[in-house]
Amino acid sequence: DAKTTQPPSMDCAEGRAANLPCNHSTISGNEYVYWYRQIHSQGPQYIIHGLKNNETNEMASLIITEDRKSSTLILPHATLRDTAVYYCIVRGDRGSTLGRLYFGRGTQLTVWP
Amino acid sequence: DAGVTQSPTHLIKTRGQQVTLRCSPKSGHDTVSWYQQALGQGPQFIFQYYEEEERQRGNFPDRFSGHQFPNYSSELNVNALLLGDSALYLCASSLLAGSTEAFFGQGTRLTVV
Repeated sequence: DAKTTQPPSMDCAEGRAANLPCNHSTISGNEYVYWYRQIHSQGPQYIIHGLKNNETNEMASLIITEDRKSSTLILPHATLRDTAVYYCIVRGDRGSTLGRLYFGRGTQLTVWP
Repeated sequence: DAGVTQSPTHLIKTRGQQVTLRCSPKSGHDTVSWYQQALGQGPQFIFQYYEEEERQRGNFPDRFSGHQFPNYSSELNVNALLLGDSALYLCASSLLAGSTEAFFGQGTRLTVV
């Protein structure tokens, strides 16, 4: 019951920006969009999250469309260590689903030298 | 701060056996969620514990059960193991309220033979 759709794989040259798209057309109410990444079967690592506005932190930027049906994660200067599976996630906001993370299959990002 | 710790890191069990996995949440967190990640798939939500009670449950059979202790640590129990239960089991801790991120442990790799 994933609520997001992502391309299965993407490539990026080292030092260039990596732009990872995500569709979440059924997102509702106050559900947040979260991004995590997972490196080689380690636990997922939090990157960034947002509700309506664009967000930026030391790792990445998150651009959310005005209708909130899609978003883009931007890694401004990709490095080899950014090679990972990136998950775009909708976080449940209702009492029965509060805090639950709905994972899809994610995007395998490969950064090449 | 040790973050989220899980034990054991790896485990091999035989079909029909029972297994218990353990999780200590990040300091200050009150909620623990468990996820199952099969090879090549995104993590799937098993259940969530808050105030020592199961608050939410994903689409998993009753063979999967859990517990949360007064110190917020948690256990995941799986009875009558099947080959299909082989997976990476992830524990995530968070604060239930608010738009905070969940922190994941490194997971327990369970292999059922």
